[in-house]
Amino acid sequence: GENVEQHPSTLSVQEGDSAVIKCTYSDSASNYFPWYKQELGKRPQLIIDIRSNVGEKKDQRIAVTLNKTAKHFSLHITETQPEDSAVYFCAAVPDAAGTALIFGKGTTLSVSS
Amino acid sequence: NAGVTQTPKFRVLKTGQSMTLLCAQDMNHEYMYWYRQDPGMGLRLIHYSVGEGTTAKGEVPDGYNVSRLKKQNFLLGLESAAPSQTSVYFCASSPLRIETGELFFGEGSRLTVL
Repeated sequence: GENVEQHPSTLSVQEGDSAVIKCTYSDSASNYFPWYKQELGKRPQLIIDIRSNVGEKKDQRIAVTLNKTAKHFSLHITETQPEDSAVYFCAAVPDAAGTALIFGKGTTLSVSS
Repeated sequence: NAGVTQTPKFRVLKTGQSMTLLCAQDMNHEYMYWYRQDPGMGLRLIHYSVGEGTTAKGEVPDGYNVSRLKKQNFLLGLESAAPSQTSVYFCASSPLRIETGELFFGEGSRLTVL
């Protein structure tokens, strides 16, 4: 089955710096890669996603890149702010039917002012 | 429009007791999921359903059973709770195929097994 690995597990940056979180996946059939953000004590929420026919997608200060050949994708956050502090999860759809999401283990991002 | 609602939100069980977590969604979504979240382990898929009357195993199904008798409800059962099942459980739903949209999560249910 699909295996999603996420690095680093923790990341500390200064306000205004950039943050990069990387994920790799094992199933070459995977074609959808979302990122979820979970603030302390709250539910995960989708922040950005990318499909296999696109190499990069950007939404204001966040962007996601995908390298299907190498089977890895990354989340980039620029000009980080204290409210970006949260746990970030990458995920992949493990089958062509698109029935479920397999998540990475998460990255705890801390942005200090 | 409540979205995805989980009950109960907190529960403490003794080893060997049974319980059921209820997930209800009012968005007419076809797909529903149960995940567990443990520190350092991320969100792991327990079971899921792609429609009323269907269920399927996820990554960590052992020790859990599920039922989807009505489209809007997805029940997660623990027949004989174990301390290893202490976790935060999240229910989620999606309209159809995952890549057509996002997973909508409930607020979570914190279960402690003593």
